[in-house]
Amino acid sequence: DAGVIQSPRHEVTEMGQEVTLRCKPISGHNSLFWYRQTMMRGLELLIYFNNNVPIDDSGMPEDRFSAKMPNASFSTLKIQPSEPRDSAVYFCASRTWDPSSEQYFGPGTRLTVT
Amino acid sequence: RKEVEQDPGPFNVPEGATVAFNCTYSNSASQSFFWYRQDCRKEPKLLMSVYSSGNEDGRFTAQLNRASQYISLLIRDSKLSDSATYLCVVRMDSSYKLIFGSGTRLLVRP
Repeated sequence: DAGVIQSPRHEVTEMGQEVTLRCKPISGHNSLFWYRQTMMRGLELLIYFNNNVPIDDSGMPEDRFSAKMPNASFSTLKIQPSEPRDSAVYFCASRTWDPSSEQYFGPGTRLTVT
Repeated sequence: RKEVEQDPGPFNVPEGATVAFNCTYSNSASQSFFWYRQDCRKEPKLLMSVYSSGNEDGRFTAQLNRASQYISLLIRDSKLSDSATYLCVVRMDSSYKLIFGSGTRLLVRP
């Protein structure tokens, strides 16, 4: 079975450019999470979707960040404009409706903003 | 104060050694507890859940002390392949949100 799929795996961009990260959750999972991981702050939840609806975006750092989930099999995280401090690994994770079920993480997108 | 605190390590141990990691959490309303493993440049993966009575999975034993708000992970007979970062994770009851510690790095040497 395919796990969570993320693209691109690596992204290098210049400050001020728009960055779009993509995620395909595991089929049948209706909860999707976007995380950011840095050395300084560890793994932080950015936003959580349930049945394609954003439930909690309190972790989104600022207005430059936006996330969408147009359907059950696709989500995007967009940064516009990007800044060097956005450099991090961005993970997408999904799970079933049951809050006690395991979250499965994708391989992550390593973003470098120069 | 961080919600979940861990010693970052690294713990550098020889193969065959027993090593223990500790973790403390600040919110007494936390109800579910986990250990995740993260290999270098990879995604986190669930290692094991932590139950109130303590639980064991092969060489791995997890313990929970609710009174002290403390979680531990014991690894016996360390293998080279155990080298990774171990993340302590807590969740409020019925909540979707996992709170991750910053991780403890383990290096097992030959």
